[in-house]
Amino acid sequence: DIQMTQSPSSLSASVGDRVTITCQASHDISNYLNWYQQKPGKAPKLLIYDASNLETGVPSRFSGRQSGTHFLFTISSLQPEDIATYYCQQYQNLPYTFGQGTKLEIK
Amino acid sequence: EVQLVESGGGLVQPGTSLRLSCAASGFNFDDYALHWVRQVRGKGLEWVSGISWTSGSWNSGRTGYADSVKGRFTISRDSAKNSLYLQMNSLRAEDTAFYYCVRASGYYIERYHLDYWGQGTLVTVSS
Repeated sequence: DIQMTQSPSSLSASVGDRVTITCQASHDISNYLNWYQQKPGKAPKLLIYDASNLETGVPSRFSGRQSGTHFLFTISSLQPEDIATYYCQQYQNLPYTFGQGTKLEIK
Repeated sequence: EVQLVESGGGLVQPGTSLRLSCAASGFNFDDYALHWVRQVRGKGLEWVSGISWTSGSWNSGRTGYADSVKGRFTISRDSAKNSLYLQMNSLRAEDTAFYYCVRASGYYIERYHLDYWGQGTLVTVSS
């Protein structure tokens, strides 16, 4: 199975800060990587697919990029409504696997 | 508008069975792969199972399972009812979780990102 190592597990930042979350794949997954946002009591919401493509309707302050098997997710200017847990997920091969999640809080 | 509505969750005893359903609407059901993903309350996400499209002859209805459920769970779909199912047998306490029905962005169970999620149904396995 492909392991996805996500860091940090939690993050505290101020409104307006630039926030970055990383995900490392244990094997080559090409660009088959999603980033999701999940708020308490809600289903995950797709933000980024194919490592760097912004899902329709998602604000442009969210972005993703890739360097080999290393993936970065960035919020350019943190907003209060961005408080959530973020997950990466690979879909190169079954079983699809997720990162452990990053809980983002406002400082 | 794509909608996925799960049902069938509940409280069951270990060793028993349960069938989850997912009613799909707002898209051509036969053209997309579908998956189940689960989440223990307060914990991370775990892919459970997936099934490919039924529109074409190539890899139609192909299924995949996580090792943790293989041999106990069966995924299926019914085009006439636009519904996805998960038959869960020999349930264990560790199967307790929210179960989400998820659509893939394409027809096959691999290499298509998961785009739309239902709101989930809670399965609790406890004596």
